[in-house]
This record gives sequence, C-alpha cells and structure tokens, in this order.
Amino acid sequence: KQEVTQIPAALSVPEGENLVLNCSFTDSAIYNLQWFRQDPGKGLTSLLLIQSSQREQTSGRLNASLDKSSGRSTLYIAASQPGDSATYLCAAEKGGSTLGRLYFGRGTQLTVWP
Amino acid sequence: DGGITQSPKYLFRKEGQNVTLSCEQNLNHDAMYWYRQDPGQGLRLIYYSQIVNDFQKGDIAEGYSVSREKKESFPLTVTSAQKNPTAFYLCASSTNSWTGDQPQHFGDGTRLSIL
Repeated sequence: KQEVTQIPAALSVPEGENLVLNCSFTDSAIYNLQWFRQDPGKGLTSLLLIQSSQREQTSGRLNASLDKSSGRSTLYIAASQPGDSATYLCAAEKGGSTLGRLYFGRGTQLTVWP
Repeated sequence: DGGITQSPKYLFRKEGQNVTLSCEQNLNHDAMYWYRQDPGQGLRLIYYSQIVNDFQKGDIAEGYSVSREKKESFPLTVTSAQKNPTAFYLCASSTNSWTGDQPQHFGDGTRLSIL
C-alpha cells in the first residue's frame, strides 16, 4: 500500500521567505503527484500536478519537483505572503485498476506572518 | 460556473440514525470520490466510482454506503453501523485519464457531528 509522508507538519515563517515543503512516497509506481491547498473549514484546491514522466511544474510563485526514483516531491514557494497561510497536502495517484485513487499525506500547516 | 456542490454544510446525527450527504457535480466528470478527514489527518478514501452504476470500496468503507445512478450525483449514506462518524467529509471528481494528467476537484465539504 502507498504511504505518503509530509515534513514538516507545521511551519511558521516571516513574510518574504522562500519555503520548501517535502513529500515522500513509498511506491514509485505512480501516475502523478498532486499538491493541494486547504484553507480552514474548506475543501481542497489543486495547485500543481506533476505527471510521472515530468520532473517539475511551475505556477506563479509555486514550483513542484518530482523524483520518482527516490520517492520524493518538493513544493517550493517563493517570496511567501500572509495569504499563503494554509495547509498544503500532497497526494500520489496510482493507475491501473485503481485509476484515480489518491493517497494523501497529513499535510504541512503553513503560517506566514507579516 | 462548473463545480462540485456538497450539502448540507453542517449535519447532526442522532444515535441509531442514518444520514445522507449530497454531492453533485456539473463538470461532466466520470469519476467521483468520497473522503473522510479527521483533525491532523490526511484524507482517507471511503468509496469511489469510476463510472455510473459502479463503485468500489476504499480504505474505510465500513459503516458507509453509496450509489451512483447518475453521472453528476454520488450521495454518501452514513449508517448507524458507523460508530465514530464525527468528521469532515469531502467529495471530489475527476476525468478518468490513463495519462495521469487530470487533477481531482473538491467540494467545500460537509461537517458531520453527533448529537
């Protein structure tokens, strides 16, 4: 069974810092690795999806990388802002007969203070 | 606007009662999912459906039931057999893609509590 781990569990930084959130997974046979943002009491918002054949994806100040061989993905947030405060979750998708099934980490709770 | 609508936002269950959570999507997605989220935990899959009239158990299906009679609807029933139902329930949908290039889209959740 796929196990997904996120480190750190919580992170508190001043505005303007560059951040790295880590995600590791035990089974490298994945279709993709997805990063989501969750605000308190809300659903998840998709941030970035990296297909298994890709190494990284970028959207604005966010950059996500994927190293399947080592079972790791990182989410890089440049020039952090208070509005980035949220919980960030990563999820690995397996294919085959379980197409679409996502295995989630517990998330990193990020606080960016002014 | 296309999206996923979950209702109600808050739900209270009495002992021995079954309750049903609604999930409707107008994204024309084939696949739909139900997750449970407990404080400090990641999301755990309850049931999922890749196509109408078919669904599979996830990791924590005991005490729950679903149906998928229409493409746009995937209701979840929390039965009295589920002894610890207090949690945040999230519904998601996606396009089935064998190239792994389609993200899941989520609703805003239903918070279920015990009276």
